[in-house]
Amino acid sequence: EIVLTQSPGTLSLSPGERATLSCRASQSVSSNYLGWYQQKPGQAPRLLIYGASSRATGIPDRFSGSGSGTDFTLTISRLEPEDFAVYYCQQYGTSLRTFGQGTKVEIK
Amino acid sequence: QVTLKESGPALVKPTQTLTLTCTFSGFSLTTTGMRVSWIRQPLGKALEWLARIDWDDDKYYSTSLKTRLTISKDTSKNQVVLTMTNMDPVDTATYYCARDSPSLDYWGQGTLVTVSS
Repeated sequence: EIVLTQSPGTLSLSPGERATLSCRASQSVSSNYLGWYQQKPGQAPRLLIYGASSRATGIPDRFSGSGSGTDFTLTISRLEPEDFAVYYCQQYGTSLRTFGQGTKVEIK
Repeated sequence: QVTLKESGPALVKPTQTLTLTCTFSGFSLTTTGMRVSWIRQPLGKALEWLARIDWDDDKYYSTSLKTRLTISKDTSKNQVVLTMTNMDPVDTATYYCARDSPSLDYWGQGTLVTVSS
């Protein structure tokens, strides 16, 4: 199965700053079937990005995804107070789905 | 409008079998390309994908848990059922179901299952 490694584990930033989150796969992700999810305390995860770079319905354009093969990035161009949360990448290019271990974006 | 909701016991004893039901609306598991996945999350820890069932009744399981998991569907009731045998306190977690199309675009609210004697 594909192992996803996210970095950094924690990102300490201020509102208005740019956040760059990384997700690296142990093998190439088929068809760039890579998603990013946001999770706030006490809530279910929410899909932000699918297909590595397509925003899900209703997701603000400050969220963008990029990458291919084994290296993927989620960028939040200007952090809003509601963006401080945990972010997970997930691959769905194989029958067995897998998640990364998450990156926490916290207020500095 | 797509919705999913998990249901099942909040407390199970060690060695017991857990049965969880995901009841959904707004889509059909008879539609080509539709799938439902189960995911769990221990408190304060990462998401872990468990199992998936497809519109054609194909089933897939996490490598580490496949001997303990069974997934099934009842298309007439719009339900997916997950059973996990031989429950242990380390299985204490919030269990989610999600529409897998193939990204996990809709999630249930989750149900907390505690394993304790």
